[in-house]
Amino acid sequence: DTGVSQDPRHKITKRGQNVTFRCDPISEHNRLYWYRQTLGQGPEFLTYFQNEAQLEKSRLLSDRFSAERPKGSFSTLEIQRTEQGDSAMYLCASSSHRTSGSSEQYFGPGTRLTVT
Amino acid sequence: KNQVEQSPQSLIILEGKNCTLQCNYTVSPFSNLRWYKQDTGRGPVSLTIMTFSENTKSNGRYTATLDADTKQSSLHITASQLSDSASYICVVSAESYGQNFVFGPGTRLSVLP
Repeated sequence: DTGVSQDPRHKITKRGQNVTFRCDPISEHNRLYWYRQTLGQGPEFLTYFQNEAQLEKSRLLSDRFSAERPKGSFSTLEIQRTEQGDSAMYLCASSSHRTSGSSEQYFGPGTRLTVT
Repeated sequence: KNQVEQSPQSLIILEGKNCTLQCNYTVSPFSNLRWYKQDTGRGPVSLTIMTFSENTKSNGRYTATLDADTKQSSLHITASQLSDSASYICVVSAESYGQNFVFGPGTRLSVLP
């Protein structure tokens, strides 16, 4: 399977614990995005990378959230001191950014986080 | 404020029937509009992408239209199948080279036998 993969698919954690999610984009894609989606809502942008550079972060990304893409390939999203409000689906997407035209985003299956 | 609204919030139809989903946006400056299908518990999958100059695009039984003057788009599904049951999300991009994708809340479609 050469699509976007995410690990784990499901994570249950207790409030106050730290969690880390991983995203492996399509190999030739230089852009990688993280989104959060709650039930019945569309995805909300969190942050994105072009290669290893984190170019933008949403105000939704509090100090407890950090994302990395150290070698411009896979990315990790860490949430420290989780809160019940962090419970959501965390989606990763990748695209091959071109200097003109529209870049298609390909989404992974998501990581479902439940904070108890 | 850049916003994308979708209607209806949810829709139930019988297998074989057609349906149309609506998307209104206030995103500016407009770059492109996308429709995604999202099955429960899965990531969204792209159906169509339309730029400013395109007013209709088809992908099998899915046909999207765009009126950039009124800032409206529709997704028409023909001869619905049970597998069409999913959320359909309208996404508008404000910049060609940036990340500024604004997602709508989605329309939840249920196709019944």
